Amino acid sequence: QVQLVESGGGLVKPGGSLRLSCAASGFTFSDYYMTWIRQAPGKGLEWISYISDSGSTIYYSDSLKGRFTMSRDNSNNSLYLQIKNLRVDDTAVYYCARDGRGWPYHWFDSWGQGTLVTVSS
Amino acid sequence: QSVLTQPPSVSAAAGQKVTISCSGSRSNIGKNYVSWYQQVPGTAPKLLIYEDNKRPSGIPDRFSGSRSGTSATLGISGLHTGDEADYYCATWDGSLTAGVFGGGTKVTVL
Repeated sequence: QVQLVESGGGLVKPGGSLRLSCAASGFTFSDYYMTWIRQAPGKGLEWISYISDSGSTIYYSDSLKGRFTMSRDNSNNSLYLQIKNLRVDDTAVYYCARDGRGWPYHWFDSWGQGTLVTVSS
Repeated sequence: QSVLTQPPSVSAAAGQKVTISCSGSRSNIGKNYVSWYQQVPGTAPKLLIYEDNKRPSGIPDRFSGSRSGTSATLGISGLHTGDEADYYCATWDGSLTAGVFGGGTKVTVL
């Protein structure tokens, strides 16, 4: 069965950096577009970015562009999100989610359990 | 402020039907499929509806979706307490070149 497992979250000071990982299994990872989505405590879902199956195309939310870098390693079935210059309002649960096969469907049929990032001094 | 607008909450008695609206614009709902997600607090969202009105395997036909113009609607019939959750609509916005979500709607079964 499809499984997505995020890791790398934790407590970070403002201005710090973090790299989140998402380990995929149960499907041919290299065939699928993937997406990162976050949810601040008590708030709604916020789309962050998506990456094509090959990794050659990446789109970011305008409000997050510049500090967030998405990448993937198809040989290791892994997805990454590098976040730099962390701010208090980046505190959220970060989810990776499976997007479309071969092209972006823009809907997400499998989600990880999420990893919590807390930014605080 | 979400790009897609949903009511904060809806409620109905057990066994009844609720509808949740999702309002957008020409650049998002007006041109792209809408999906819907159910999120029980403390858990990851789950896909309920994709491509406006299709249900993934395992989602009962009590859940339905539609899209018209720049709005979409999720319907939940035969409500029961297990349906109490937050519901989100989502789509792609061609002008923003980004995915967008609604602010979420909390469903309460009276």
